[in-house]
Amino acid sequence: KQEVTQIPAALSVPEGENLVLNCSFTDSAIYNLQWFRQDPGKGLTSLLLIQSSQREQTSGRLNASLDKSSGRSTLYIAASQPGDSATYLCALRNNAGNMLTFGGGTRLMVKP
Amino acid sequence: GAVVSQHPSRVICKSGTSVKIECRSLDFQATTMFWYRQFPKKSLMLMATSNEGSKATYEQGVEKDKFLINHASLTLSTLTVTSAHPEDSSFYICSASGTGGFHNEQFFGPGTRLTVL
Repeated sequence: KQEVTQIPAALSVPEGENLVLNCSFTDSAIYNLQWFRQDPGKGLTSLLLIQSSQREQTSGRLNASLDKSSGRSTLYIAASQPGDSATYLCALRNNAGNMLTFGGGTRLMVKP
Repeated sequence: GAVVSQHPSRVICKSGTSVKIECRSLDFQATTMFWYRQFPKKSLMLMATSNEGSKATYEQGVEKDKFLINHASLTLSTLTVTSAHPEDSSFYICSASGTGGFHNEQFFGPGTRLTVL
């Protein structure tokens, strides 16, 4: 059974800092991996999706990497802003089916 | 493209009543829909998966008679919380995936906040 862990659970940084969020998983037979953002009381916003054959994806200040052999993905946020404050979730889709397995999330606070 | 809506966004009901939540795919045909539950400051927990025209598949520990799921069309799935109790208060989120270009990922709705008094 796939298990997904996100570290740290919470993170507080000053504005402008570059930061890395971590996601680790136990089963490397994944179809794709996705990073989401969730604001309090809101739904999920998809940030980046990495296919199994890819090693990274970039969108603006965000860069996500995938290393299946080590069971890890990272989300890099450059020049963080207060508006980046949210919970970030990683989720994996396994080869066997269509369902996603979510990590516990990282609550990010960027202080002005 | 790939927009999923949920209605209502927020509902408050009395204990013992039933509440229906709708999930619609607005611009694609959703062959599969997923229902999640999220407790405060926790991650999403999959409740059930439904394929259009078939009975939903429930995750272990989820009462199928308590949480009725109907996926009668390619654009609409409903979750009915029957005889709701305060412990059913939660944030419910649906997602949908389809065929072709919409098969690769799940597209999420904005969620429904249920409060049972």
